[in-house]
Amino acid sequence: DQQVKQNSPSLSVQEGRISILNCDYTNSMFDYFLWYKKYPAEGPTFLISISSIKDKNEDGRFTVFLNKSAKHLSLHIVPSQPGDSAVYFCAASGNSGGSNYKLTFGKGTLLTVNP
Amino acid sequence: NAGVTQTPKFRILKIGQSMTLQCTQDMNHNYMYWYRQDPGMGLKLIYYSVGAGITDKGEVPNGYNVSRSTTEDFPLRLELAAPSQTSVYFCASSRPHEKDEQFFGPGTRLTVL
Repeated sequence: DQQVKQNSPSLSVQEGRISILNCDYTNSMFDYFLWYKKYPAEGPTFLISISSIKDKNEDGRFTVFLNKSAKHLSLHIVPSQPGDSAVYFCAASGNSGGSNYKLTFGKGTLLTVNP
Repeated sequence: NAGVTQTPKFRILKIGQSMTLQCTQDMNHNYMYWYRQDPGMGLKLIYYSVGAGITDKGEVPNGYNVSRSTTEDFPLRLELAAPSQTSVYFCASSRPHEKDEQFFGPGTRLTVL
């Protein structure tokens, strides 16, 4: 039973355009959401997070939106750059603001940004 | 800071062999984790530790053991390796009471034949 779903295995966009990566979750106890980025042969690196008390969090070119009623979040990258090409994982936890020791990950979306 | 380091990077095991995957972090993090990532799948939590001497099972602990004798080290032991344990293994660490960011090592690619 997948509690965090990334239904698009891959996404291809042109450099300079917007990339939108989507994530759905089923567990209503999740209250903290994170996006990780992973390059081949490297470990995931943290990108951005959002607490369930917010509906938007922005960090430079990266913005995460949370729609709690739909149990849906999305990561927007504007403008997209070739260096953004990587696998993006959505992750969720149920311990907002405190110690998180159980992240549930989606399967990931491979983003390719074409020059 | 080296962050989270893992050894070895690659390993091939025969069925029934055992091995230990090493993980060390130099950030003085209390929390440490082991994940596995199978092809086309997300990361699944194997074991975690909230401090030296304290470990607990994650989602997929069968076939693995861990120990945490120091803050820095969190080795993962595979006993009686099976083909189903072919995967990429990631170690991670974090500080509690911050923004829940986990720092990951580069991974160990394990093949069991």
